[in-house]
Amino acid sequence: GQSLEQPSEVTAVEGAIVQINCTYQTSGFYGLSWYQQHDGGAPTFLSYNALDGLEETGRFSSFLSRSDSYGYLLLQELQMKDSASYFCAVRAAPSGYALNFGKGTSLLVTP
Amino acid sequence: DARVTQTPRHKVTEMGQEVTMRCQPILGHNTVFWYRQTMMQGLELLAYFRNRAPLDDSGMPKDRFSAEMPDATLATLKIQPSEPRDSAVYFCASGPAGAQETQYFGPGTRLLVL
Repeated sequence: GQSLEQPSEVTAVEGAIVQINCTYQTSGFYGLSWYQQHDGGAPTFLSYNALDGLEETGRFSSFLSRSDSYGYLLLQELQMKDSASYFCAVRAAPSGYALNFGKGTSLLVTP
Repeated sequence: DARVTQTPRHKVTEMGQEVTMRCQPILGHNTVFWYRQTMMQGLELLAYFRNRAPLDDSGMPKDRFSAEMPDATLATLKIQPSEPRDSAVYFCASGPAGAQETQYFGPGTRLLVL
């Protein structure tokens, strides 16, 4: 089967940097995605890593190590609006198309 | 601005009633997914379609849930009969061909079964 582990809660100060880790166990791994969800809202796509290394998109970066079955989402210059839940999700065999989501990390940004 | 739409946005019903949720995927997307989100279980995949064909519905309770895609612009998820444990937010998402990692979620249907 598949499993994903990520911290349940993280708190950080506005302007700081925060890293949300995700470890996974799966077979036939294609890649790791990250989604953001604000309270009462829908998940929105942030980033995707299929290969090892760092992908940067503005203030957000995502990293993957396939050999360690590990990835992280890095949020820089935190803003209050970044307070949300962040989900890592694995795209893996046998489904190939569907995503298996972690339980999510609730990020609280404080002044 | 292309978006996934879902109706109804909120539904309160009594146990035993039929519930039908509808989704209009983004035009041109060829994969459609149904997810259920609860505090306890998180986001669970119920079923998904590619080019309107069902590929996997192993996440659905077969005896009461059914998912269909009668045409490229409409996906439906039905619960019959509904039970209180079905109370959750049901999300539909669609994805473009060749970019399976990117899914665009609709606003969700918040279902409460009394």
